[in-house]
Amino acid sequence: KAGVTQTPRYLIKTRGQQVTLSCSPISGHRSVSWYQQTPGQGLQFLFEYFSETQRNKGNFPGRFSGRQFSNSRSEMNVSTLELGDSALYLCASSQVTAEETQYFGPGTRLLVL
Amino acid sequence: AQSVTQPDIHITVSEGASLELRCNYSYGATPYLFWYVQSPGQGLQLLLKYFSGDTLVQGIKGFEAEFKRSQSSFNLRKPSVHWSDAAEYFCAVKSTASKLTFGTGTRLQVTL
Repeated sequence: KAGVTQTPRYLIKTRGQQVTLSCSPISGHRSVSWYQQTPGQGLQFLFEYFSETQRNKGNFPGRFSGRQFSNSRSEMNVSTLELGDSALYLCASSQVTAEETQYFGPGTRLLVL
Repeated sequence: AQSVTQPDIHITVSEGASLELRCNYSYGATPYLFWYVQSPGQGLQLLLKYFSGDTLVQGIKGFEAEFKRSQSSFNLRKPSVHWSDAAEYFCAVKSTASKLTFGTGTRLQVTL
């Protein structure tokens, strides 16, 4: 079974631009979560989608948004980019079970100049 | 709110030596606990997980972890470290809201 895939793997943007990142979950997984990883703040939860609905949200500003499609693929969008948005963005997928073990993709490295 | 503490930021061990990475958690209910490993520039790979039952869990790559409720700990161990184990290791606890809360990570360096 193929793992979680994320595109693009690397991205360079300038301040004020917006960006869209994509995540394809493991086949059969219906829950997709997004995390931001930075050297200063570590791994932080952004949001989680299930059945095309945002089920949980972390403490990030409204510039960070996401969506999920009927095939469970997910996108996250960051508008009006700031230098501090430079990070590794990780997507994880899970089955809907009590444990909901999350399996991570390779991440998208975003650099904001 | 749940939290995870990994007290060791950086650990150096010799190849062939044993390893123990510490993890303490704070969570009101029975925790779901995980250890992930991250190589430079890569995503997180699941090493092992604990949900219930036997408190000693086995994972991939020869790793094991022991859940100790009385100490709120979930330490990761490996009897003999290989050079390829050099990476960053993250302990995490899952809340009922499907969110993982991670520790700050422990960077493992292996000397030959």
